[in-house]
Amino acid sequence: ELKVEQNPLFLSMQEGKNYTIYCNYSTTSDRLYWYRQDPGKSLESLFVLLSNGAVKQEGRLMASLDTKARLSTLHITAAVHDLSATYFCAVDVSGTASKLTFGTGTRLQVTL
Amino acid sequence: DTAVSQTPKYLVTQMGNDKSIKCEQNLGHDTMYWYKQDSKKFLKIMFSYNNKELIINETVPNRFSPKSPDKAHLNLHINSLELGDSAVYFCASSHGGKVLTFGAGSRLTVL
Repeated sequence: ELKVEQNPLFLSMQEGKNYTIYCNYSTTSDRLYWYRQDPGKSLESLFVLLSNGAVKQEGRLMASLDTKARLSTLHITAAVHDLSATYFCAVDVSGTASKLTFGTGTRLQVTL
Repeated sequence: DTAVSQTPKYLVTQMGNDKSIKCEQNLGHDTMYWYKQDSKKFLKIMFSYNNKELIINETVPNRFSPKSPDKAHLNLHINSLELGDSAVYFCASSHGGKVLTFGAGSRLTVL
């Protein structure tokens, strides 16, 4: 059974600091997604990583994928309060986006 | 226009009742899904339909029955509701194996 683990589960950081969220998964996959969820809201797609070594960046967030290590990272640069949310990684092993297995989520709190 | 819309947004009901949640997408996607998010924010797939055909049916009590009248709609009917069914249910859609677009969620509370 595919397991997807994120760490940390909770992250409190000051504005302006950098940090990385890690996503480890247990089965070979070359398709990994990052989503953001604000409290009481839906999930918003952030990144789709489709191959080993893929790197995507959007604003202060950068995601990468190492399929050999079965590891994805979400790096936050110079955090701002607006980035406070829960971040999920999700792995697809079916070859289509038909069966995503989500990580446990990382709740990020950026303090002023 | 909302891409993936779910109704109702909130649902409070008594144990033993039957309830339905409706989902519609206007994106022209061919695949629709139901995911359940529990109180610890853990997300798990329940069902998936591709062009009205059931393609994923996870280990879910048979009190849960999805129905897709056409590829733009996927409804979820729940019989004999139990306390443990309390959760947020998300509908989602995708096309050609691309990224999922999620609805706003339907929060079900069973008393």
